[in-house]
Amino acid sequence: GESVGLHLPTLSVQEGDNSIINCAYSNSASDYFIWYKQESGKGPQFIIDIRSNMDKRQGQRVTVLLNKTVKHLSLQIAATQPGDSAVYFCADLAGGTSYGKLTFGQGTILTVHP
Amino acid sequence: DAMVIQNPRYQVTQFGKPVTLSCSQTLNHNVMYWYQQKSSQAPKLLFHYYDKDFNNEADTPDNFQSRRPNTSFCFLDIRSPGLGDAAMYLCATSRTTGESPLHFGNGTRLTVT
Repeated sequence: GESVGLHLPTLSVQEGDNSIINCAYSNSASDYFIWYKQESGKGPQFIIDIRSNMDKRQGQRVTVLLNKTVKHLSLQIAATQPGDSAVYFCADLAGGTSYGKLTFGQGTILTVHP
Repeated sequence: DAMVIQNPRYQVTQFGKPVTLSCSQTLNHNVMYWYQQKSSQAPKLLFHYYDKDFNNEADTPDNFQSRRPNTSFCFLDIRSPGLGDAAMYLCATSRTTGESPLHFGNGTRLTVT
């Protein structure tokens, strides 16, 4: 995906709820995907990745789902906590590139209310 | 035990005055990247080094240069900062290119007065 503007999508949830953050990518040649979490004043922090030969991968409280047919990626956070509040970016890597150029999506602001 | 360290965290420079941002890593990764991130936007790749090989993005202005004197250090030089260059500058590393996650530093916030 490409960053397209100054108004990031937002998602507000209550503590303890499950969160789902969505991302659409445009490059059908992309074969590696990463989710990053960025807190205010910090650099992006790796959350989880998935390769194109998988459609689901689970980590601790997080699950990433990949639907290559519709070029869609989602991040599910179970039992969301206030510390999960941040901007979440998806990033994709196109296969066949000579180097690991990640293309970042627009980002989603997640706010978790106690 | 930060692994990608950027200094300084905040940098103020004057319009047109050259400025250098620095990045160091303890991961011994082959690849080092510089990204520019403006407010409420995604990081945008400026260039990267694979070992000593420099790879510039096509749309990176000539005003931005980089140096990598050794594996651990990489510098971003802005020769004549303009007001539009005010942003967060993020350094990242990866073990290799391809399917290898990037590890980011906490960035340097550049203000141009």
